[in-house]
Amino acid sequence: DIQMTQSPSSLSASVGDRVTISCRASQDISKYLAWFQQKPGKAPKSLIYAASSLQSGVPSKFSGSGSGTDFTLTISSLQPEDFATYYCQQYETYPLTFGGGTKVEIK
Amino acid sequence: EVQVVESGGDLVQPGGSLRLSCVASGFTFSSYWMSWVRQAPGKGLEWVANIKQDGSEKYYVDSVKGRFTISRDNAKNSLYLQMNSLRAEDTAVYYCARGGPSGGDCYHDYWGQGTLVTVSS
Repeated sequence: DIQMTQSPSSLSASVGDRVTISCRASQDISKYLAWFQQKPGKAPKSLIYAASSLQSGVPSKFSGSGSGTDFTLTISSLQPEDFATYYCQQYETYPLTFGGGTKVEIK
Repeated sequence: EVQVVESGGDLVQPGGSLRLSCVASGFTFSSYWMSWVRQAPGKGLEWVANIKQDGSEKYYVDSVKGRFTISRDNAKNSLYLQMNSLRAEDTAVYYCARGGPSGGDCYHDYWGQGTLVTVSS
């Protein structure tokens, strides 16, 4: 199975900060990487697919980059509604696997 | 508007069975792969199973193989998960999620609100 490792597992940031979350795959997954945002008690929301393609309706402050084994989600200017947990997911190989999540908290 | 709505979650005893349902609307259901993804209390996301548009291909995470069966009824825009021999570790919120138009595009762009399955005596 492909292991997806996110770092950090949590971070504290202030409104207006630029935030970067990393996701590393245990083997090459090309660009078959998605990012999700999840708020407490809610379903995950799709942000990014194909490593860098923004899902329809998602604000451009979110961006994704990377290919192969190393990927990054960037939030350019953190806003109060962005405090949540973020997950990456590979869909290159079965079983589909998620990273452990990165919780973004208010500093 | 794309919507998927799950139902069927309940409290069930270890060894018991349960069938989850998901009804989709706002898109051509028969054109997409569909998945079940679960989340144990306080834990991360775990993909459980998915199914091709015509039901001819199905994939499962190892921990549920032989116990869970995914199926669909395109005439009813519905996805199902039959869960047998349930264990405490199957306790989770189960989400129905839309995959892609091909098996290589399961990036799950739309999710339901989830249904809670609790396995306990």
